[in-house]
Amino acid sequence: SQKIEQNSEALNIQEGKTATLTCNYTNYSPAYLQWYRQDPGRGPVFLLLIRENEKEKRKERLKVTFDTTLKQSLFHITASQPADSATYLCAPGCLDSNYQLIWGAGTKLIIKP
Amino acid sequence: NAGVTQTPKFRVLKTGQSMTLLCAQDMNHEYMYWYRQDPGMGLRLIHYSVGEGTTAKGEVPDGYNVSRLKKQNFLLGLESAAPSQTSVYFCASSLVSGRPIEQFFGPGTRLTVL
Repeated sequence: SQKIEQNSEALNIQEGKTATLTCNYTNYSPAYLQWYRQDPGRGPVFLLLIRENEKEKRKERLKVTFDTTLKQSLFHITASQPADSATYLCAPGCLDSNYQLIWGAGTKLIIKP
Repeated sequence: NAGVTQTPKFRVLKTGQSMTLLCAQDMNHEYMYWYRQDPGMGLRLIHYSVGEGTTAKGEVPDGYNVSRLKKQNFLLGLESAAPSQTSVYFCASSLVSGRPIEQFFGPGTRLTVL
């Protein structure tokens, strides 16, 4: 069955450093992948979408890569700030599935001042 | 714009009771979704709708029913609640555009079934 894996342990990063989160998928060939941020007690908020023909996507301090050979996406936050502390969810999707997404459990990121 | 709203925010039910969760969106989105989120697991799709009057089953539909009588509303019903349905429920919507696009989420409903 399709499986999406994200680091289950919290990631602790010092403020100002680059945080890198990993999303691996198996038994799946997504055409695109989305990343969302979720704060405690709130719904997920969309951050970035990357398609299979795009190696890299950037938005301000965020960068996402998509390696279909490794079946992996990396999510980077440069110059991290305490306000970046949240849980980050990856969600790959296929074009022929009514744009349904399969969600990872998320990685909790903690940025320490 | 309020975006996606959900009512209620919290609810405690006894086993066997029924309830309806209401989701409303004011963005004129075609697609709407109901998910549940449990600790250590990714969001799981319960039911979804690709337009007014249509609904379809997701990954975990058993024990739930839905209706989309109006484009802006998507209702999730539990006919006979079970403790296994204790979860946080999220509604989401997205605009149909012929290409993958982001989903907008509501604030969630925390449901406890005793």
